[in-house]
Amino acid sequence: GEDVEQSLFLSVREGDSSVINCTYTDSSSTYLYWYKQEPGAGLQLLTYIFSNMDMKQDQRLTVLLNKKDKHLSLRIADTQTGDSAIYFCAEGGSQGNLIFGKGTKLSVKP
Amino acid sequence: DVKVTQSSRYLVKRTGEKVFLECVQDMDHENMFWYRQDPGLGLRLIYFSYDVKMKEKGDIPEGYSVSREKKERFSLILESASTNQTSMYLCASSFLQRTGTKNIQYFGAGTRLSVL
Repeated sequence: GEDVEQSLFLSVREGDSSVINCTYTDSSSTYLYWYKQEPGAGLQLLTYIFSNMDMKQDQRLTVLLNKKDKHLSLRIADTQTGDSAIYFCAEGGSQGNLIFGKGTKLSVKP
Repeated sequence: DVKVTQSSRYLVKRTGEKVFLECVQDMDHENMFWYRQDPGLGLRLIYFSYDVKMKEKGDIPEGYSVSREKKERFSLILESASTNQTSMYLCASSFLQRTGTKNIQYFGAGTRLSVL
């Protein structure tokens, strides 16, 4: 069945790079997504990658996709305290919905 | 900007009460979704709807029902609230999914429901 796995916690120091990893099961997903949830808020789309790409860069964010291994990662360069949040990986579901991972809580220490 | 508005940020209800959670979107989206979010369990899909008066069960529909009488509004109903329904509830909306297109969901800020 469709499933998305990611680790639950990551802690980094301010200024370091953060790498959040995700594995997914549906190789037919056309797009893969990263959402961000700040404390007390709903989810917001952070970035996405088309499945024919292996990398996408957007300012401090780099998304890497290894389609063979069904592995997706999000790298945040020069991590700031404002990046502290929960990050969700998601793939398209078979019913037009999205399948979300459980979320990785990123803590940034000053 | 897309707006998905959930009527309440916080709700406190008693066991056995009927509870209505309301969600309104202003982007003419066909799809609307209700999720619950619990620590360590991530987002779990309760119900979703592709069109007015249509509904589909998600992964955990038991104890819930939904109503979509107008395109912009999707209501989640707890017929008889129980303590295990204490959770954060998130509403989302998106355009109808077409093969090969992006499926971007827009979320409301969430309703934190406590059932005592």
